[in-house]
Amino acid sequence: DVKVTQSSRYLVKRTGEKVFLECVQDMDHENMFWYRQDPGLGLRLIYFSYDVKMKEKGDIPEGYSVSREKKERFSLILESASTNQTSMYLCASSFWGEGRGYTFGSGTRLTVV
Amino acid sequence: GIQVEQSPPDLILQEGANSTLRCNFSDSVNNLQWFHQNPWGQLINLFYIPSGTKQNGRLSATTVATERYSLLYISSSQTTDSGVYFCAALTGGGNKLTFGTGTQLKVEL
Repeated sequence: DVKVTQSSRYLVKRTGEKVFLECVQDMDHENMFWYRQDPGLGLRLIYFSYDVKMKEKGDIPEGYSVSREKKERFSLILESASTNQTSMYLCASSFWGEGRGYTFGSGTRLTVV
Repeated sequence: GIQVEQSPPDLILQEGANSTLRCNFSDSVNNLQWFHQNPWGQLINLFYIPSGTKQNGRLSATTVATERYSLLYISSSQTTDSGVYFCAALTGGGNKLTFGTGTQLKVEL
């Protein structure tokens, strides 16, 4: 069964900590994405990557960075966590071109205290 | 970028009722998808439907690309249909979907 796996389901971190969210896909997808989901705002794109070591900013990249050293793994990094980054984080992957095969992980609910 | 708007934002149904969810988008699209997010947070793709009509069991979707809207029909709703329904659009030669804000559906016994 193909899937996208996020390393943690729930995470609690302190303000100012460096936070790593990991995502792994086993579908050989070229594209990988990080979204955050907040009530009333839907899913907003933070960063995406269409190839190893390639990345592009999404709609809300401020306060985040990403790393893609291998095709199957895409990491989201919060350099210095803040309370306004408390949210649900969703990773997704897809084939190159027209968004086919878009598949989501089960999400990481991050709380920054 | 493209704007995606969904209506209604919230919907409560009695089991067995039918419903229609709407998605309007501001630009021509290469790809229009519908997703269901269950109460545990998992997002599942329901339809890939840049144009035309598709059906899958009690669910069907229609996209009228020339008028920039898509509809998701749920017939004979069940409690397991509860959750959030998102539509998402992709334009141009890119690879990223832009999501609407979703319709929160609750189906009651």
